Amino acid sequence: AQSVTQLGSHVSVSEGALVLLRCNYSSSVPPYLFWYVQYPNQGLQLLLKYTSAATLVKGINGFEAEFKKSETSFHLTKPSAHMSDAAEYFCAVSYTNAGKSTFGDGTTLTVKP
Amino acid sequence: SQTIHQWPATLVQPVGSPLSLECTVEGTSNPNLYWYRQAAGRGLQLLFYSVGIGQISSEVPQNLSASRPQDRQFILSSKKLLLSDSGFYLCAQKGVNEKLFFGSGTQLSVL
Repeated sequence: AQSVTQLGSHVSVSEGALVLLRCNYSSSVPPYLFWYVQYPNQGLQLLLKYTSAATLVKGINGFEAEFKKSETSFHLTKPSAHMSDAAEYFCAVSYTNAGKSTFGDGTTLTVKP
Repeated sequence: SQTIHQWPATLVQPVGSPLSLECTVEGTSNPNLYWYRQAAGRGLQLLFYSVGIGQISSEVPQNLSASRPQDRQFILSSKKLLLSDSGFYLCAQKGVNEKLFFGSGTQLSVL
């Protein structure tokens, strides 16, 4: 069975500060891992995904995530937060079928001026 | 490109009333389609997925049903809504390279 844990339902950072959103997964086989962003009243948008190629994955809007098998983690980072980054972020894990992903409960990112 | 149309954007329904949410997609033919629900403060839960016309798989037992009458149409229904059916419903389509594309969602409030 696969599961995802996002540590911290709310994260607040100042504009220009480092963004770190944590995600740990469990999967009995090598996983596909995803980060999605959801802006208010909108659907999800894919930020980035890991599919067993490079362990450091770069996504849109300056985000990146590093797959660490030994820690079963896939934390999302951005060096410098922007006000427009305020949103809810979801980590997800799946096997080969991206549609059958298991999602974390989400982390709300607040960016303070 | 892949575009997903979902409607309505918001819906308020009384307990016991029927439900029909429609999703239509553009892009590749015979797409894999999905219905997700997001409860308040929670992540997404996969409700149904479909790999083709008339083919529906249910992931969790519930008060809802899904149908796929056409290649690019996916409908979520209920005969009698429950309070617990409230949530944000997202339709999704799997594109190339395992990428998921989501519709803009329907916020359903059952009162």
